[in-house]
Amino acid sequence: DAGVIQSPRHEVTEMGQEVTLRCKPISGHNSLFWYRQTMMRGLELLIYFNNNVPIDDSGMPEDRFSAKMPNASFSTLKIQPSEPRDSAVYFCASSFSGSGYTFGSGTRLTVV
Amino acid sequence: ELKVEQNPLFLSMQEGKNYTIYCNYSTTSDRLYWYRQDPGKSLESLFVLLSNGAVKQEGRLMASLDTKARLSTLHITAAVHDLSATYFCAAGGGADGLTFGKGTHLIIQP
Repeated sequence: DAGVIQSPRHEVTEMGQEVTLRCKPISGHNSLFWYRQTMMRGLELLIYFNNNVPIDDSGMPEDRFSAKMPNASFSTLKIQPSEPRDSAVYFCASSFSGSGYTFGSGTRLTVV
Repeated sequence: ELKVEQNPLFLSMQEGKNYTIYCNYSTTSDRLYWYRQDPGKSLESLFVLLSNGAVKQEGRLMASLDTKARLSTLHITAAVHDLSATYFCAAGGGADGLTFGKGTHLIIQP
């Protein structure tokens, strides 16, 4: 199994641009989570899906953030427009009914 | 709201010494997880503790869970340099995701 696959690994963009982060969960996992990691705030849960349905997006910081999961093998996290304070490492994780959580390699986002 | 607190947040120790990292959580949690993160890397699962009194060991690391005290510990025995990393505990689980502590940045010096 290739694990949770995230792309891109690194993204540098200018303030105001749209950014899309991608995640492919482990096949057979029915839950998917997006986390953000910063030095100041640590690891924060942004949103999670169960069976492709968004369950709780209360961690999404602002309306500029949106996430979708059109099918069981793909999810996106979009930031539009991006701001410098969005700079962070964004992790995707997947799980089968909470029996264990596997994290992707993360996307390091820098907004200049 | 579930809150998870770790201490210490920073730990510098010598090789060969023993030490313990503590993890407290605020409300009932099904499970307790420990992860390791190396600089610039992802989170690697170390232990999943499922019940009161659970103890798991892997090499020089041992984790335990006391659900009544809402406390988990990660004990390091005879530390070696390769164990230098940031260690996170996380509570919650099921389909609702995990709530993480701030992490313990561990440096082991020769």
